Amino acid sequence: DSGVTQTPKHLITATGQRVTLRCSPRSGDLSVYWYQQSLDQGLQFLIQYYNGEERAKGNILERFSAQQFPDLHSELNLSSLELGDSALYFCASSVVGHLEETQYFGPGTRLLVL
Amino acid sequence: AQSVTQLDSHVSVSEGTPVLLRCNYSSSYSPSLFWYVQHPNKGLQLLLKYTSAATLVKGINGFEAEFKKSETSFHLTKPSAHMSDAAEYFCVVSDPYGSSNTGKLIFGQGTTLQVKP
Repeated sequence: DSGVTQTPKHLITATGQRVTLRCSPRSGDLSVYWYQQSLDQGLQFLIQYYNGEERAKGNILERFSAQQFPDLHSELNLSSLELGDSALYFCASSVVGHLEETQYFGPGTRLLVL
Repeated sequence: AQSVTQLDSHVSVSEGTPVLLRCNYSSSYSPSLFWYVQHPNKGLQLLLKYTSAATLVKGINGFEAEFKKSETSFHLTKPSAHMSDAAEYFCVVSDPYGSSNTGKLIFGQGTTLQVKP
């Protein structure tokens, strides 16, 4: 158990809908990352937050957004969903987000868009 | 930008025999390198990491990896495979944002390790 929690574990929805994925980092970690794992793209970095502020963006679509709240939990919002958004979404956390730090991953949320 | 290439998409070994999972990296500076493992329907677990200290890095469950700058490699090894080692393994490099000390992880495409009885 990494100490990172994600809810829900599974999500099934329809095209065009909007969903919110939630992540709670390990106690004491200030930095949160979101990753998407799909069969065709592999594991890709989406976005990083540090202490409530966006730090960096990766291959995140404009239909997707995220935020980190004062209690440090984070939410990833996916809107106007398409079939291709079906994937496993991971949240990870680290202490302050330095390059050499270990990122601890949650169990993931499996999203299926029908 | 940094990148990693995992040279084998699938490796099959017999239980009790050595494991070798190959990874080459591309980096314009001294990188931080990691190996993560993903068991079926599970999250990612860190096996080991290299951050410019000792070039031979020992990890959990008997795994180790050697950083070879001259070969730009970071291969993962284990002397004796166990059935429970069957999983997907990812070689990962940290990619910094400009000159800052923060960055994101870049994952290789993964190597599926099959362990036969």
